[in-house]
Amino acid sequence: DVKVTQSSRYLVKRTGEKVFLECVQDMDHENMFWYRQDPGLGLRLIYFSYDVKMKEKGDIPEGYSVSREKKERFSLILESASTNQTSMYLCASRRAGVETQYFGPGTRLLVL
Amino acid sequence: GQQLNQSPQSMFIQEGEDVSMNCTSSSIFNTWLWYKQEPGEGPVLLIALYKAGELTSNGRLTAQFGITRKDSFLNISASIPSDVGIYFCAGSNFGNEKLTFGTGTRLTIIP
Repeated sequence: DVKVTQSSRYLVKRTGEKVFLECVQDMDHENMFWYRQDPGLGLRLIYFSYDVKMKEKGDIPEGYSVSREKKERFSLILESASTNQTSMYLCASRRAGVETQYFGPGTRLLVL
Repeated sequence: GQQLNQSPQSMFIQEGEDVSMNCTSSSIFNTWLWYKQEPGEGPVLLIALYKAGELTSNGRLTAQFGITRKDSFLNISASIPSDVGIYFCAGSNFGNEKLTFGTGTRLTIIP
């Protein structure tokens, strides 16, 4: 079974803090993704990565950056957290060329 | 970025009823996927559709790839309490790593 894990289920941070969200997959997938999920808006893509050290902006990259130093790990970074970044963050991975994405359980982030 | 329109946004039904939901797009897709997200979890793939007009079943779930390639439908027959969750459609095209997700349909089952 594919397993995608996220470092925290719940996080509370203060405005201006630097926040790291970590995602690890154990199936040697090339592609990894970060989404945010907000009520009524569905899942919106923040960044994705084709492979190690490669990254592409998604639909809403502003205020976020990413890092992919190892194939199994994809990190989302909020350089200076703001209250409008309060959301559910979902990580996903997939094998290159296959549509199916496998999701982690999500990190619910609250920025005060 | 583009998003897919899903309807209805939410449904409140009684156990045993059938459920229908749909997803529409302004552009065509080569692949349609349906995911379910249970409370506190990430989405899990239910059904994948690869051909216009295709009808695919997975137990009590049946999904169809619209003939125009701009829509897809999901039906759940004889709903049970564990069907509760948010259902998302997603579309993709060959050679594109990204999925475009719908806005979700939240299903609640009234005992």
